[in-house]
Amino acid sequence: GAGVSQSPSNKVTEKGKDVELRCDPISGHTALYWYRQSLGQGLEFLIYFQGNSAPDKSGLPSDRFSAERTGGSVSTLTIQRTQQEDSAVYLCASSFLAGMAGELFFGEGSRLTVL
Amino acid sequence: AQSVTQLGSHVSVSEGALVLLRCNYSSSVPPYLFWYVQYPNQGLQLLLKYTSAATLVKGINGFEAEFKKSETSFHLTKPSAHMSDAAEYFCAVSGSSNTGKLIFGQGTTLQVKP
Repeated sequence: GAGVSQSPSNKVTEKGKDVELRCDPISGHTALYWYRQSLGQGLEFLIYFQGNSAPDKSGLPSDRFSAERTGGSVSTLTIQRTQQEDSAVYLCASSFLAGMAGELFFGEGSRLTVL
Repeated sequence: AQSVTQLGSHVSVSEGALVLLRCNYSSSVPPYLFWYVQYPNQGLQLLLKYTSAATLVKGINGFEAEFKKSETSFHLTKPSAHMSDAAEYFCAVSGSSNTGKLIFGQGTTLQVKP
C-alpha cells in the first residue's frame, strides 16, 4: 500500500481478554517500530524490528506484551490479559533503513479501550 | 541516555502571529533531531529534521527550526500562524543505538485563534 496500514482502527475489549493489533508497513521498508500513545504520556517506544528479528524490545511494559513480524512485512502486537492501563493508541511506523537519520512513516494507529 | 523536553503542553496564538514551540534535548552523542505533527485522528507526519548539515532547517508548511548546540535546543517556528496549523507537535531525538528508534517529547498542542 501507499502508507502504513493498521487494523483495527478501534478496539474495545473487556479486562482480561487478549487482543491482537496488526501493522502492514510500507512495501520495502525493513525497519518497523511500535509505539504507544497515552494521554499525558506522550509517545512511548515499545519494540523495533529489523527484518523479522527484534533487536530492541526494551519498551515492552510487561510480559503480557509481545510482537512478531513475519516475512519481513506484517507485524502483530499481542496484549494478553488486558488491563485498563493498557488503554491507549498503538502506533506503528516503518522506515526504509534503520539509522539515526531515517524518517519514520507512521500509521493512523489502533485505539484500544479496555473496559 | 537521550531525552527530549518540550516546554509548554499547550500553546495558543492568534492567526497571523508568530508560532514558537520549544524543544530542548539531552544526548551523549551528536543528535539527529526531528519535529513531527499530528492532526486530529491521524498519524504523525514529519515536518523537518536536523541531520548535522545546516543548523537552520526548513520544513513543510512554512515551518523551520534552528539547531543550537550551546543551548541544546531545537525550537520550531513559523512566522505567521494559519488556522490549519492547529495540531499536536512532537519533538524527537534519534536514539544513539543506530536503530532509528526515536525518543519523543510529551508533545505541544497548538491552538490557533481567529
